[in-house]
Amino acid sequence: DIQMTQSPASLSASLGETVTIECRASEDIYNGLAWYQQKPGKSPQLLIYNANSLHTGVPSRFSGSGSGTQYSLKINSLQSEDVASYFCQQYYDYLFTFGSGTKLEIK
Amino acid sequence: EVQILETGGGLVKPGGSLRLSCATSGFNFNDYFMNWVRQAPGKGLEWVAQIRNKNYNYATYYAESLEGRVTISRDDSKSSVYLQVSSLRAEDTAIYYCTRGYVMDAWGQGASVTVSS
Repeated sequence: DIQMTQSPASLSASLGETVTIECRASEDIYNGLAWYQQKPGKSPQLLIYNANSLHTGVPSRFSGSGSGTQYSLKINSLQSEDVASYFCQQYYDYLFTFGSGTKLEIK
Repeated sequence: EVQILETGGGLVKPGGSLRLSCATSGFNFNDYFMNWVRQAPGKGLEWVAQIRNKNYNYATYYAESLEGRVTISRDDSKSSVYLQVSSLRAEDTAIYYCTRGYVMDAWGQGASVTVSS
């Protein structure tokens, strides 16, 4: 299986700040990467696919980048509604694997 | 509107089995791969299984950690997908989500499964 290493495990930032979450794959996943947001008590929702494509309806303050084994999710102008856990997931290999998640809080 | 609804969760004794159902509407089910993903209490997400559509001969794939204990199936006439889990253990306690697509762009609200004596 492809291992996904996500960091940091938790993050605290102020409203309006920019935050970045990283994900490293154990081998090249050729941009086969998605990011999901899971708000407390809710199901996960797709934010980004193909490493940098914004899913329909997702605010433009979210962006994804990266290539090879290194990927990141950036949230600009942090809003209160962005409090959530974020997960990366590779789908380059058909045995999907997720990162361990990042819990984002507001300072 | 895309709707995904999981049913069949509950309390199960260790060693028992369970069949989860996922009913969908609002999209052409036949066109999509479908998955099950689970989340243990307070933990991260774990992909469990995928079933492809008719164009891919309904091929199935399973997480190595669960292979041999789970079976995914689908009924295109009912726009539904199923997950059979056997030899249940305490560590199978989780919310089980049904998701649409190779890129999982729609998720159900989840079915809670508790394995306990």
